[in-house]
Amino acid sequence: KNEVEQSPQNLTAQEGEFITINCSYSVGISALHWLQQHPGGGIVSLFMLSSGKKKHGRLIATINIQEKHSSLHITASHPRDSAVYICAVNGGPGGSNYKLTFGKGTLLTVNP
Amino acid sequence: NAGVTQTPKFQVLKTGQSMTLQCAQDMNHNSMYWYRQDPGMGLRLIYYSASEGTTDKGEVPNGYNVSRLNKREFSLRLESAAPSQTSVYFCASSLQGSNTEAFFGQGTRLTVV
Repeated sequence: KNEVEQSPQNLTAQEGEFITINCSYSVGISALHWLQQHPGGGIVSLFMLSSGKKKHGRLIATINIQEKHSSLHITASHPRDSAVYICAVNGGPGGSNYKLTFGKGTLLTVNP
Repeated sequence: NAGVTQTPKFQVLKTGQSMTLQCAQDMNHNSMYWYRQDPGMGLRLIYYSASEGTTDKGEVPNGYNVSRLNKREFSLRLESAAPSQTSVYFCASSLQGSNTEAFFGQGTRLTVV
């Protein structure tokens, strides 16, 4: 089974700061997902990527397949970005493409 | 576009009671999933359905049953609820196969007393 590690577990920032959340996994994958969960809320897919970099508004996700590592960056952070950010991977040796392995999440709090 | 809809949003059960969590998606997705989310742990797969007419066990299937009623609907049943099943349950769907985005419902917060 793939092991997915996120860091940091908790992150507090001031509004406007640049945020980086990291995700490492142990086994080769076919795709990596970044998800967002607001307190008491549902889960929203932010990105799915298998190589390179993707950008959506103030969010940027990168992945380095060789190093088995991905980062989620938030530029000009805002209090509404406060949420749990979850990394998930699918595929890889012995793993079905229909199933995802999830990290435990990073709780981000952005103070005004 | 509703996406993935779960009902109910909240439920309190007594130990031994049964209930069914409903999930429906309107995106014509082939694959559907049920996960549970517990404090300090990543989401864990309970059951999944790769396509209409098929279901398979995930990581934590004990105490649960599922039905893929049709392509849109995938229900999760607790036959005899236990306190260990207190959790937040998420239904999800994806088009199918690899490299496809997963869409999640809003979650069901279940408490078993």
